[in-house]
Amino acid sequence: DAGVIQSPRHEVTEMGQEVTLRCKPISGHDYLFWYRQTMMRGLELLIYFNNNVPIDDSGMPEDRFSAKMPNASFSTLKIQPSEPRDSAVYFCASSCNREHCEQYFGPGTRLTVT
Amino acid sequence: AQSVSQHNHHVILSEAASLELGCNYSYGGTVNLFWYVQYPGQHLQLLLKYFSGDPLVKGIKGFEAEFIKSKFSFNLRKPSVQWSDTAEYFCAVKPFSGGYNKLIFGAGTRLAVHP
Repeated sequence: DAGVIQSPRHEVTEMGQEVTLRCKPISGHDYLFWYRQTMMRGLELLIYFNNNVPIDDSGMPEDRFSAKMPNASFSTLKIQPSEPRDSAVYFCASSCNREHCEQYFGPGTRLTVT
Repeated sequence: AQSVSQHNHHVILSEAASLELGCNYSYGGTVNLFWYVQYPGQHLQLLLKYFSGDPLVKGIKGFEAEFIKSKFSFNLRKPSVQWSDTAEYFCAVKPFSGGYNKLIFGAGTRLAVHP
């Protein structure tokens, strides 16, 4: 398996622009997670899905952030409008639905908002 | 609230020194426990995991961790570190409470190993 795939790997954008991050989970995994990592706040869980349905979005910082999972093999995290404080590495992870499953992380998207 | 505490934020060691990174969690029920490693510029990778059975778990690259239920701890150890172990290490807990729960991560420990 190719593992969790994220695109783009790097994104540089100007403040106010819309940013869309993409994730393809491991085939057969029922759970998908979006995390944000910064030096100041460490690793934060933003939202996670089970069978394409958002289960917990309490970590989404504000209304500028939205996430969707239209099907089992694709998810997006959108920031509109973007701000410099959104600069971070965004990780997507997926997991199976059995009792003993770990999360597998993607390579991340490094976002820089100028 | 459920939480994971990693005692050391930064650790500096010389090669061949022994390593122990502390991890404590706050949850009274059944848990799954994990250690993830993040090498510079890379994503998180699973180092080892505990689900049940022998509380001493062996992982990749010579790492091991011991689950002590009475102390709510899952400390990571390695008898002799290498320069290539320089990375950030995250402890994570998955509590069981009748359904799937998200992982709760600690703040991470940055390890620097000097030649």
